[in-house]
Amino acid sequence: KAGVTQTPRYLIKTRGQQVTLSCSPISGHRSVSWYQQTPGQGLQFLFEYFSETQRNKGNFPGRFSGRQFSNSRSEMNVSTLELGDSALYLCASSLSGRGDYEQYFGPGTRLTVT
Amino acid sequence: AQKVTQAQTEISVVEKEDVTLDCVYETRDTTYYLFWYKQPPSGELVFLIRRNSFDEQNEISGRYSWNFQKSTSSFNFTITASQVVDSAVYFCALSDSGAGSYQLTFGKGTKLSVIP
Repeated sequence: KAGVTQTPRYLIKTRGQQVTLSCSPISGHRSVSWYQQTPGQGLQFLFEYFSETQRNKGNFPGRFSGRQFSNSRSEMNVSTLELGDSALYLCASSLSGRGDYEQYFGPGTRLTVT
Repeated sequence: AQKVTQAQTEISVVEKEDVTLDCVYETRDTTYYLFWYKQPPSGELVFLIRRNSFDEQNEISGRYSWNFQKSTSSFNFTITASQVVDSAVYFCALSDSGAGSYQLTFGKGTKLSVIP
């Protein structure tokens, strides 16, 4: 079974631009979660989607948004990029999104904002 | 609010030594789930184990073992006879059944270096 895939793997953007990251979950998984990882803040939860509905959102500004499609693939968008948005963005998929099932992570997208 | 504390920021051991990574958690819920993940230099988080709050049995998987103690809110991870390939950052995470049921709360991680 293929794992979680994320595209692109690396991205360099300029402050003020916007960016869209993509995540394809494991086949059959309907929950997709997004996390931001930085050296200073560690791993922080962004949002979770299940069957195209956002069920939970972390403490991030409105510049961070996401969506999920009917095939469970998900995208996250960051508008008006700031230097502090430079991070590794990780996507995870699971059957339920709750802790009763394992969450499997993709390789991440490393975003650099200059 | 849920919280996970990994007090050990970095640990160095010589190959073949045993090492224990500590994890202490906080949650108000009686139903919750604990996880350990490994993050090698490549960056991908690799799932190691999931444990629910009603199962306090210790678990062993090869050289890995986990000790879950609800009385001390701890979920420690031991690597026996460490190897260089065990070098990575290890994260403990918590998912509870309340408002945070659809997210993992991670500790800051413990960077393990195994020296040959």
